[in-house]
Amino acid sequence: AQSVTQLDSHVSVSEGTPVLLRCNYSSSYSPSLFWYVQHPNKGLQLLLKYTSAATLVKGINGFEAEFKKSETSFHLTKPSAHMSDAAEYFCVVSRSGSSNTGKLIFGQGTTLQVKP
Amino acid sequence: NAGVTQTPKFRILKIGQSMTLQCTQDMNHNYMYWYRQDPGMGLKLIYYSVGAGITDKGEVPNGYNVSRSTTEDFPLRLELAAPSQTSVYFCASSYSERDPRTQYFGPGTRLLVL
Repeated sequence: AQSVTQLDSHVSVSEGTPVLLRCNYSSSYSPSLFWYVQHPNKGLQLLLKYTSAATLVKGINGFEAEFKKSETSFHLTKPSAHMSDAAEYFCVVSRSGSSNTGKLIFGQGTTLQVKP
Repeated sequence: NAGVTQTPKFRILKIGQSMTLQCTQDMNHNYMYWYRQDPGMGLKLIYYSVGAGITDKGEVPNGYNVSRSTTEDFPLRLELAAPSQTSVYFCASSYSERDPRTQYFGPGTRLLVL
C-alpha cells in the first residue's frame, strides 16, 4: 500500500524568508513523488517530480525537493518566499504500476500563507 | 489552447436531483480523470479513462457514472444527488506517451447538495 502524509496543514512565512513544506511517504515499492500547487480558484499545476533519477529535484518558480529514502521524506523548499507563492500545496505519490494509468495518491494539502 | 475546461463553475442541487458535470480538453490527451476534493482532504479519484470508449473506477466511484465517447470530452454524471456529494470536482487530463502522472487540471466545479 502507498500513502502520503503532509505534516503541516498550514504554514505561514514572511515574504523573503525560506519556505519548508514537509511530506512523508509510505510505499512498498520505489515511489515516484510529486508536488502539485493549487492557487485560489484555479486547477492544480505540477511543480516538480521525482522518478528515481537525481534525489534533488528542481521545479518551477524556484522550488525544489529532496528525496530521502532513509527518512521516507520528500520536503518542498524555496529559499525566499514571494507573495505569489501563497497557495495550497499537495504532496503526491503514484501507485505502483501507475506509469501506465496515471493513478495518483494525494496528501491532505498544506496551505502556505505569505505575509508582507 | 484553453487546456481543460469545466462547466458549471458552481451549482446547488436538491437531494435526489441529477446533473452532469462537463469536462473538455483541447490538448489531444488520451487520459482523463475525475477527482473530488473535500475540505481539508486531498483529491480522491472517482473515475478515469485511458481513451475513448474505455473507463474504469477509481477510489470513490459510488454514486457517479462516466462516459467517454470522444477524446475531448469526459462528462461526470450524478444520478441521485446526496449531501455526501457536496464537494469540489476537478477534471484532469494527461498524455500516455509522456508521463500520464503529469496531469493538467481544470479550474473545478463547486457542488452543494441540500
